[in-house]
Amino acid sequence: EADIYQTPRYLVIGTGKKITLECSQTMGHDKMYWYQQDPGMELHLIHYSYGVNSTEKGDLSSESTVSRIRTEHFPLTLESARPSHTSQYLCASSEFDRGGGTEAFFGQGTRLTVV
Amino acid sequence: KNQVEQSPQSLIILEGKNCTLQCNYTVSPFSNLRWYKQDTGRGPVSLTIMTFSENTKSNGRYTATLDADTKQSSLHITASQLSDSASYICVVSDRGSTLGRLYFGRGTQLTVWP
Repeated sequence: EADIYQTPRYLVIGTGKKITLECSQTMGHDKMYWYQQDPGMELHLIHYSYGVNSTEKGDLSSESTVSRIRTEHFPLTLESARPSHTSQYLCASSEFDRGGGTEAFFGQGTRLTVV
Repeated sequence: KNQVEQSPQSLIILEGKNCTLQCNYTVSPFSNLRWYKQDTGRGPVSLTIMTFSENTKSNGRYTATLDADTKQSSLHITASQLSDSASYICVVSDRGSTLGRLYFGRGTQLTVWP
């Protein structure tokens, strides 16, 4: 089983609150990702990082922000949560592989509900 | 546009039966294709990975095939079990970018009934 952890698993908060979703991996991977997934839909990349102090926005526009101060830690922050942010957030990590592809290991996800 | 299409969207089978899930992709340049199993409310877990030169790979009761010429893949599940109920996601990786971008299908929701 992959050593990548997300907390909390479930979160229900009120509109306007600031929240941080935590993601940590112990595999020493340089690449880390945040995906957003609505029920029955595909995963959409919202943020990624190549390493410490590297962060980029993904394909899906998101009002969230991320930081990468340490290799193992890639938290995602919503400054002011809204009901439209209700979704499942999945964190993943990978190492650079010589074959040109990417092996991604996923965390268990955080199910966020904004009321 | 790089895309991954899966069919069927959902499938219900009886325990012990076999089934086959399909994946068509347009991702180029192709690097590898993975099948993931995602239980409800959990993160995806990798089942198989295939590169361009591989056309079949097995993992227990799961057998994946890849036709790189037609850009099609299938996942065959034999002797299904109740624990096979999950979403099965086809993920294609490209080799055309530093990111090694992953392209996800929407998944096939499989339900196994006793």
